[in-house]
Amino acid sequence: QKEVEQNSGPLSVPEGAIASLNCTYSDRGSQSFFWYRQYSGKSPELIMFIYSNGDKEDGRFTAQLNKASQYVSLLIRDSQPSDSATYLCAVNRNSGNTPLVFGKGTRLSVIA
Amino acid sequence: NAGVMQNPRHLVRRRGQEARLRCSPMKGHSHVYWYRQLPEEGLKFMVYLQKENIIDESGMPKERFSAEFPKEGPSILRIQQVVRGDSAAYFCASADLDTQYFGPGTRLTVL
Repeated sequence: QKEVEQNSGPLSVPEGAIASLNCTYSDRGSQSFFWYRQYSGKSPELIMFIYSNGDKEDGRFTAQLNKASQYVSLLIRDSQPSDSATYLCAVNRNSGNTPLVFGKGTRLSVIA
Repeated sequence: NAGVMQNPRHLVRRRGQEARLRCSPMKGHSHVYWYRQLPEEGLKFMVYLQKENIIDESGMPKERFSAEFPKEGPSILRIQQVVRGDSAAYFCASADLDTQYFGPGTRLTVL
């Protein structure tokens, strides 16, 4: 079983819709969870991080964490064509400074 | 600009040559991570360093690859005797606590 799994997509949503991106992880002891956005040919850009079960909202983005189900998701409300990118889920297995384990990413395409 | 800096942004080497990739962390950050991203693949951890110390090099190939983060100056990822399979994007990330911020990357092409 891969450590961090994401559906590769592409996930296509119409402009203005809600995009839902999902991620599962295998290490039950994982502590911190991150979503990065990566445009083609560019570097990963931090979107959100979440540590505790539940929802965390920041503007149009909501991260959701369910440690019992080992599941983390990212919702993007009012999707825009500029949101079209690959979204990377990353997990930190320990608290503090340790390497991140990344999923392969989900490609999101927002259709105008 | 107080972001993570990497240079060069693009590097072309012939097989057998050496590649040196440099990374300067964000101001105030003392933790540096190197990741490699192969085409159509996810980011893979290579090495984690603090000033003058390698903390975790479990993701770095045992041969040809080395990394350092000296007391003064940038962190350097060195690849000796490059092969075509080393062609990839190499990203550096810096962190203060547990949140990592990525630099623009160095795209290495081995001919």
